[in-house]
Amino acid sequence: DIQMTQSPSTLSASVGDRVTITCRASQSINIWLAWYQQKPGKAPKLLISKASTLETGVPSRFSGSGSETEFTLTISSLQPDDFATYYCQHYSSYSTFGQGTKVEI
Amino acid sequence: QVQLVESGGGVAQPGRSLRLSCVASGFTFSSPSMHWVRQAPGKGLEWVAGISFDSTNEYYAASVKGRFTISRDNSKNTLYLQLNSLRAEDAGVYYCARGYCSSTSCSWGPHDYWGQGTLVTVSS
Repeated sequence: DIQMTQSPSTLSASVGDRVTITCRASQSINIWLAWYQQKPGKAPKLLISKASTLETGVPSRFSGSGSETEFTLTISSLQPDDFATYYCQHYSSYSTFGQGTKVEI
Repeated sequence: QVQLVESGGGVAQPGRSLRLSCVASGFTFSSPSMHWVRQAPGKGLEWVAGISFDSTNEYYAASVKGRFTISRDNSKNTLYLQLNSLRAEDAGVYYCARGYCSSTSCSWGPHDYWGQGTLVTVSS
């Protein structure tokens, strides 16, 4: 089974900060990686697919990069609405999520 | 607009069964794969199972294989998850999620639309 490891688990930041979250796969997954944002009590929201494709309506301050085993989600200038938990997901026949990164004030 | 509405959650004793449903609207249900993702209280997301558009392929997480069954009825725009032999660790919110669809085609993943979730509690 492919394991997805996110770091850090928690990230303290301020409005305007540049934030980077890392996701590592236990083996090569090409670019089959997505990023989601989840707020308390809500369903996850898809931000990025295929490692770097921004979904329609997602602000351009979000960006994704990487391939094979190492991926990053970057928020260029953190906004108040961005404080949430972020998950990476390798999607395939058997999908796997990372454990999540909570971005807090 | 795309809507996914789950139901069927509740309290079940260990070893008992539940059946979850997810009614879809706002898109051609017979086109995309469909999935169940769960989240234990205070924990992260766990993909549980997925089913292809025509039900020919089903895949399960190792933690539920042999106990859970995913199915769909395209004539009723409904996705199901049968949960048997429930364990305490199966408790959580269960989300129904759609496999990604663009304007021209659908793929297995990722998940572009999600329901609001239904809560499963396993307790004696």
